[in-house]
Amino acid sequence: QKEVEQNSGPLSVPEGAIASLNCTYSDRVSQSFFWYRQYSGKSPELIMSIYSNGDKEDGRFTAQLNKASQYVSLLIRDSQPSDSATYLCACWRGYQKVTFGIGTKLQVIP
Amino acid sequence: DVKVTQSSRYLVKRTGEKVFLECVQDMDHENMFWYRQDPGLGLRLIYFSYDVKMKEKGDIPEGYSVSREKKERFSLILESASTNQTSMYLCASSLATRRTGAYNEQFFGPGTRLTVL
Repeated sequence: QKEVEQNSGPLSVPEGAIASLNCTYSDRVSQSFFWYRQYSGKSPELIMSIYSNGDKEDGRFTAQLNKASQYVSLLIRDSQPSDSATYLCACWRGYQKVTFGIGTKLQVIP
Repeated sequence: DVKVTQSSRYLVKRTGEKVFLECVQDMDHENMFWYRQDPGLGLRLIYFSYDVKMKEKGDIPEGYSVSREKKERFSLILESASTNQTSMYLCASSLATRRTGAYNEQFFGPGTRLTVL
């Protein structure tokens, strides 16, 4: 079982819709969770961090964490073509161990 | 804002050459990391450093070495480049790793796309 699992996609959503990106993790000691956006040919950019159960909102982005289910998600409201990118989920479980998922490719269709 | 810079965006080297990739961060971060990213494999940690002159192996250290002589600079060395080291190399830094929360947010440089012929 991979430490951090994401569906590689592509996930296609129409412009203006809500995009829902999901991630599960295997290690219950994971404490901090991050979402990165990576445009093709570019490096990952941190867009959201979440540390406790529940929702955290930042503009059009909402991160959701459920530690009991070992599940973290990212919702993008009013999706725009400029949101088309690969989204990486990452988990920190102590010391140096930040583990990245393989990423989900999102396509927003105009 | 955190700024992480890498010495080259694109690099072409020949098999057997010694290759140096350099990374500099300007936010006084304790930790620095080197990853490689390949299609279908995601980000894989090569080495990291939590202090000057300190280093620890990541998941795929074979064929690589690192150097951290100053806090802001972390170098990745390919002692004898091979074609299977053709990849995107990403440097990152974070404030600290022994604490929870934002201390572990990693900030990435622009990456170096290395091709070994």
